[in-house]
Amino acid sequence: GENVEQHPSTLSVQEGDSAVIKCTYSDSASNYFPWYKQELGKRPQLIIDIRSNVGEKKDQRIAVTLNKTAKHFSLHITETQPEDSAVYFCAASGNTPLVFGKGTRLSVIA
Amino acid sequence: NAGVTQTPKFRVLKTGQSMTLLCAQDMNHEYMYWYRQDPGMGLRLIHYSVGEGTTAKGEVPDGYNVSRLKKQNFLLGLESAAPSQTSVYFCASSPTGSLNQPQHFGDGTRLSIL
Repeated sequence: GENVEQHPSTLSVQEGDSAVIKCTYSDSASNYFPWYKQELGKRPQLIIDIRSNVGEKKDQRIAVTLNKTAKHFSLHITETQPEDSAVYFCAASGNTPLVFGKGTRLSVIA
Repeated sequence: NAGVTQTPKFRVLKTGQSMTLLCAQDMNHEYMYWYRQDPGMGLRLIHYSVGEGTTAKGEVPDGYNVSRLKKQNFLLGLESAAPSQTSVYFCASSPTGSLNQPQHFGDGTRLSIL
């Protein structure tokens, strides 16, 4: 079955800097790659997703890139702000339900 | 439009007790999911349903049962609770079509087994 590895597990950045979180997946049939943000004590919320027919997608300060050949995808957050502090999860699915990475705790230091 | 609603929000059980967690969605979504979230483990799928009357096992189904008698509801049961089932449980739903759709999560149920 699918296996999703996520790195790093924790990340601290200065406010205004960029943050990058990377994920790899194992199943070449996977074609949908969402990213979720979870604030402390809250529900996971979708922030951006990408499908395998697209290499990059942007939404304001957030972007996701996908390399199907290498089976990895990344989340890029530019101009980080304190409210970006949260746990971020990547996930992948194809013919089976989403499999999530173990999460990255992002801390943005003011 | 409430989205995905989970009840209860908190519960403490003794080992061996049983209980049912309820998930209700008002978005007419076909697919529903139950996850558990443990520190450092991410979200792990317990069971899921692709439609009324159908259920399937996920990654960690042992010790849990589910039922989907109505499209809008998905129930998760613990027949004989064990301390290893202490966790935060999230329900999610997604639209019809395929498993490759955005999932909408409920607020979670924090369950402690003593």
